[in-house]
Amino acid sequence: GAVVSQHPSWVICKSGTSVKIECRSLDFQATTMFWYRQFPKQSLMLMATSNEGSKATYEQGVEKDKFLINHASLTLSTLTVTSAHPEDSSFYICSARVGSGGAYNEQFFGPGTRLTVL
Amino acid sequence: KNEVEQSPQNLTAQEGEFITINCSYSVGISALHWLQQHPGGGIVSLFMLSSGKKKHGRLIATINIQEKHSSLHITASHPRDSAVYICAVGRNYQLIWGAGTKLIIKP
Repeated sequence: GAVVSQHPSWVICKSGTSVKIECRSLDFQATTMFWYRQFPKQSLMLMATSNEGSKATYEQGVEKDKFLINHASLTLSTLTVTSAHPEDSSFYICSARVGSGGAYNEQFFGPGTRLTVL
Repeated sequence: KNEVEQSPQNLTAQEGEFITINCSYSVGISALHWLQQHPGGGIVSLFMLSSGKKKHGRLIATINIQEKHSSLHITASHPRDSAVYICAVGRNYQLIWGAGTKLIIKP
């Protein structure tokens, strides 16, 4: 099946620094990528939906100036956590979807990135 | 009431047992996903289905659209099946997640 990679798989940073997480679709072109966040023992929460070449759509309660999403190509989306704080420590997962409009398309998930902010 | 409900929340069973995890939803959907999340956090998509039944190895997923219910079955369960199993429904090109079922298979 289709493969989605994330980099880095884990990162530890100091409070106040910015962290960039990459999500790549390795063998297909993803018209849409999704970013999720999961706190310990909780379900995944959708943060934003990103379509190639356009601005991301953020879910209610997600600060767009803090979580910068760039979907510059059909195989790469990046999430930058700016001025990270300990409460941003979480597990971030991206998924990628082929196609748009019409029938629903399957999403393929990246392995996730564990962010720890000290 | 959550739009996607899973049961049970936790399940512990002995190796070899037949496992059933249930998912009920209250919204119109275009597809339903079953996903597996291991302790390391990575998520694997097991099934995407919009009708009927799918089988992959020891895993079987069924869906009843009229009843808005899906089940995930594991036959001949093994300790390596221990994980969190998540049901998610596709609606308006996004996913609505269930809370997950934590499965532990004891040897």
